[in-house]
Amino acid sequence: EDQVTQSPEALRLQEGESSSLNCSYTVSGLRGLFWYRQDPGKGPEFLFTLYSAGEEKEKERLKATLTKKESFLHITAPKPEDSATYLCAVQASSQGNLIFGKGTKLSVKP
Amino acid sequence: DAGVTQSPTHLIKTRGQQVTLRCSPKSGHDTVSWYQQALGQGPQFIFQYYEEEERQRGNFPDRFSGHQFPNYSSELNVNALLLGDSALYLCASSLDTVQETQYFGPGTRLLVL
Repeated sequence: EDQVTQSPEALRLQEGESSSLNCSYTVSGLRGLFWYRQDPGKGPEFLFTLYSAGEEKEKERLKATLTKKESFLHITAPKPEDSATYLCAVQASSQGNLIFGKGTKLSVKP
Repeated sequence: DAGVTQSPTHLIKTRGQQVTLRCSPKSGHDTVSWYQQALGQGPQFIFQYYEEEERQRGNFPDRFSGHQFPNYSSELNVNALLLGDSALYLCASSLDTVQETQYFGPGTRLLVL
């Protein structure tokens, strides 16, 4: 069964304290792994797509990496405005739907 | 460039009623997917529409149905509402020819009393 597990469920950081979020996945043929950011009561905002092991993508303070079993979202020197829930999703090669994890709720305190 | 839009933003219904939610995809996109997100959970796939047909369906009962119009906009209908249907309903659009990234709308918050 295709599934996604994210850890930790919640993460509290001080401003400037770098850390990583984990996304472990099991899927029958990975077409892509996606990272989204979601603010409370809003729709998910697209961040990155990763297609193959070893691939990395960066955007401002965020960097996403991919292996054959997991992905990491590294946050460097976070700011309070980075506070949000970060969702990881996978898409199997034969399917059109995304399979999401439950997300990691990140809080960054000034 | 207009993103994905959804209406209404909020909705309150009572058990047993029926509801229709609407979605307009991002400009240039032809595929619409619907997701249900319960509080504290990740989005769950309901179904996907392409060329006005349901192409793929998740594990949701027949009470959930949909439609896609020639202009690619879409509707989600839920009949015989249950308390457990209370959730944020998300629409996502993508460009099918390359099975590209899905972009989400702001969602419709449905509360069933």
